[in-house]
Amino acid sequence: GNSVTQMEGPVTLSEEAFLTINCTYTATGYPSLFWYVQYPGEGLQLLLKATKADDKGSNKGFEATYRKETTSFHLEKGSVQVSDSAVYFCALSDPRGYNKLIFGAGTRLAVHP
Amino acid sequence: NAGVTQTPKFQVLKTGQSMTLQCAQDMNHEYMSWYRQDPGMGLRLIHYSVGAGITDQGEVPNGYNVSRSTTEDFPLRLLSAAPSQTSVYFCASSQDRGQSYGYTFGSGTRLTVV
Repeated sequence: GNSVTQMEGPVTLSEEAFLTINCTYTATGYPSLFWYVQYPGEGLQLLLKATKADDKGSNKGFEATYRKETTSFHLEKGSVQVSDSAVYFCALSDPRGYNKLIFGAGTRLAVHP
Repeated sequence: NAGVTQTPKFQVLKTGQSMTLQCAQDMNHEYMSWYRQDPGMGLRLIHYSVGAGITDQGEVPNGYNVSRSTTEDFPLRLLSAAPSQTSVYFCASSQDRGQSYGYTFGSGTRLTVV
């Protein structure tokens, strides 16, 4: 079945460091891919998305490219800030049966000054 | 403010008790879902609805019931609470099955069953 695998956390970085959080997926058909972010004590917020192969989603300095050949959707940011500390979830939208979201386990990011 | 509202934010239940988690959205979204979040497991789909009067099971439906009598409301009922249902519950809605605009999530209900 469809699934999403993310790198385990926590990821600990200093401010202004480069961030990569790996995400790979298994899916039949042509899913849309998403990154959601969860700040402490809050619900999930959509960070960025890509709906077809080679699309690049971007928002707030974060980017991810939909790579069908490697079934990946890695999240990157060139210079992280303390305010980026959160849990990041990779997800795919299952094209079969009402496009249900399937989530990875989440990766906690901690950015220190 | 437009969005998804969940109540209560916190709840403690005794084993065997029943309760309803409320979810309401004011964006006229057709698609609504309930997820539970457990450490190291991401979010897992409990039940979902594609419109008023239509619901279906997700990945982990056992022990939960839902109904959708209006577009706005999608309550989740725990029939007989068990410690395994201790979790954080999120309700989410979408205008297009999440394909282009993603889902809007509520702020969650933290449930403890003792």
